[in-house]
Amino acid sequence: GAGVSQSPRYKVTKRGQDVALRCDPISGHVSLYWYRQALGQGPEFLTYFNYEAQQDKSGLPNDRFSAERPEGSISTLTIQRTEQRDSAMYRCASSPTGDGEQYFGPGTRLTVT
Amino acid sequence: GIQVEQSPPDLILQEGANSTLRCNFSDSVNNLQWFHQNPWGQLINLFYIPSGTKQNGRLSATTVATERYSLLYISSSQTTDSGVYFCAGPTEGAQKLVFGQGTRLTINP
Repeated sequence: GAGVSQSPRYKVTKRGQDVALRCDPISGHVSLYWYRQALGQGPEFLTYFNYEAQQDKSGLPNDRFSAERPEGSISTLTIQRTEQRDSAMYRCASSPTGDGEQYFGPGTRLTVT
Repeated sequence: GIQVEQSPPDLILQEGANSTLRCNFSDSVNNLQWFHQNPWGQLINLFYIPSGTKQNGRLSATTVATERYSLLYISSSQTTDSGVYFCAGPTEGAQKLVFGQGTRLTINP
């Protein structure tokens, strides 16, 4: 079956612009996670949802970052007024249950110039 | 929070060799996952292994939860095994994964 999909795969934006990154989880998966991965590092947690409820947003770096999952399926991570330090790979994952195995999408490579 | 340490950080081997990658946790973890990040950047699930031993072809993994470590074994390495291997686990009561820094494996022909 289809895995986790993310779009766009690559995004180049100018400093100060807003960007929206989309994640389409595996159908029926309850939980959806966002991570950020800097070059040469492991992914770091940003936020997660169970169904449409945002359960933990402790990893969001500041208030320029927000996420939503309004219907409990597709999720959008929005970064406002982008800065060069926001450049990274943004990864989405989903799991069938809250404590289940997490499956990752291909990621969105964001470059802020 | 929980700390995850992976060793070695880098490993270079010839095709056909065997290898062991280690993951240590500072605290107990509910579940543990091993991933392979291939050269194209995709994060591929290898094992979901809270305890015990699992095998999948040339790969196997063992987690000793009481001693807070896990091992990934790769036998008869192939060039396609190259990439970065990550272990990750959620702390008890949490869902978010905490990742190690990874082991970069290079298999030369």
